[in-house]
Amino acid sequence: EDKVVQSPLSLVVHEGDTVTLNCSYEVTNFRSLLWYKQEKKAPTFLFMLTSSGIEKKSGRLSSILDKKELFSILNITATQTGDSAVYLCAVEFNQAGTALIFGKGTTLSVSS
Amino acid sequence: KAGVTQTPRYLIKTRGQQVTLSCSPISGHRSVSWYQQTPGQGLQFLFEYFSETQRNKGNFPGRFSGRQFSNSRSEMNVSTLELGDSALYLCASSLWGTSYEQYFGPGTRLTVT
Repeated sequence: EDKVVQSPLSLVVHEGDTVTLNCSYEVTNFRSLLWYKQEKKAPTFLFMLTSSGIEKKSGRLSSILDKKELFSILNITATQTGDSAVYLCAVEFNQAGTALIFGKGTTLSVSS
Repeated sequence: KAGVTQTPRYLIKTRGQQVTLSCSPISGHRSVSWYQQTPGQGLQFLFEYFSETQRNKGNFPGRFSGRQFSNSRSEMNVSTLELGDSALYLCASSLWGTSYEQYFGPGTRLTVT
């Protein structure tokens, strides 16, 4: 069964801490892995990864994919209260077209 | 540039009824995808339309259908509503598809009683 598993499910940190969020997957015919941030309602796109070992970076956020071990991590350095959100990982794969599966998300709470 | 808009924002329906939700993508975007979000199942992919054709489909029953018009606006229809269809329905648009940066709308909160 195709699946995407995120860990931890929730995390509470202090401002300034560095956090690592994990996403592992089991799918056939992998195409890409995507990270989203969901605050109130609508998710916002963070990264799209297709190649192993190439880090994507945007400000204090970075992400990397390991296609051999089938996982990705999302790092957030020097966390701020504005980073508090649900972080979603999604995997695209080919299955009679392209399918997309989301993990359940990691809820990050950053306290001041 | 105007964002993705969805109408209506809230909807209450009775079991057995049908419902149509609308999504207007960002101008110039040809891909529109639909998602269902519930506390139990999380975010689940319903289908994607590109240039009026359904290009990809998630694992949902045939009661869930959609279409896309020539102006890229999309509608999603759910027939014979069930209590379990209560959810937040999100649509997202992008230039080329789900592998690219998608912009989500605010969602339609559907409650089935």
